[in-house]
Amino acid sequence: GAGVSQSPRYKVAKRGQDVALRCDPISGHVSLFWYQQALGQGPEFLTYFQNEAQLDKSGLPSDRFFAERPEGSVSTLKIQRTQQEDSAVYLCASSLETPGLARRSTDTQYFGPGTRLTVL
Amino acid sequence: AQKVTQAQTEISVVEKEDVTLDCVYETRDTTYYLFWYKQPPSGELVFLIRRNSFDEQNEISGRYSWNFQKSTSSFNFTITASQVVDSAVYFCALSGYGGATNKLIFGTGTLLAVQP
Repeated sequence: GAGVSQSPRYKVAKRGQDVALRCDPISGHVSLFWYQQALGQGPEFLTYFQNEAQLDKSGLPSDRFFAERPEGSVSTLKIQRTQQEDSAVYLCASSLETPGLARRSTDTQYFGPGTRLTVL
Repeated sequence: AQKVTQAQTEISVVEKEDVTLDCVYETRDTTYYLFWYKQPPSGELVFLIRRNSFDEQNEISGRYSWNFQKSTSSFNFTITASQVVDSAVYFCALSGYGGATNKLIFGTGTLLAVQP
């Protein structure tokens, strides 16, 4: 089946512009994560959705970053008034994790190809 | 606080050599998961293996094997008979157990270069 897809793959923005990055998770996956990966570093957590509920946004670096998943499938990460330090690869991941089971578990996260954002 | 340390920044080997990638983690959770991901030059993170904290049995899967030791908080990964296609950045990651604790904490990665 299809994996996680992200668009656009590359985005160049002028400082101060707003950008929107899209993530299409694997069909049926309940959980969705956004990560930010700076050059030469490991990915860092930004935010987490379970269906349409944003349960953790502790990693968002500023109030210029906003994420949504209104229907519990596709998610959009929006960055307002972009700054040069926002330049990075933005990765989306999804996992199955069916909520409500008596036994908590962690499912493997599968990643999309990422969106490389360059802010000039 | 949770933390993953990959002390090896770069490793270079010749094809067919065995190579071990080191990973040390810190967590206060009693239940957690450990992962290895591969990031080839194309950029996409590819899932390789996952272990949970209550199962220290080490396994072999094809050319991959791993050594999980809770006593030393280490989760090392070995590639046997390396191939040029194994060249990539390898990330070790740690997560909690369920819900929002599932966010992955990554190390800084180890760049593996396999020379022909």
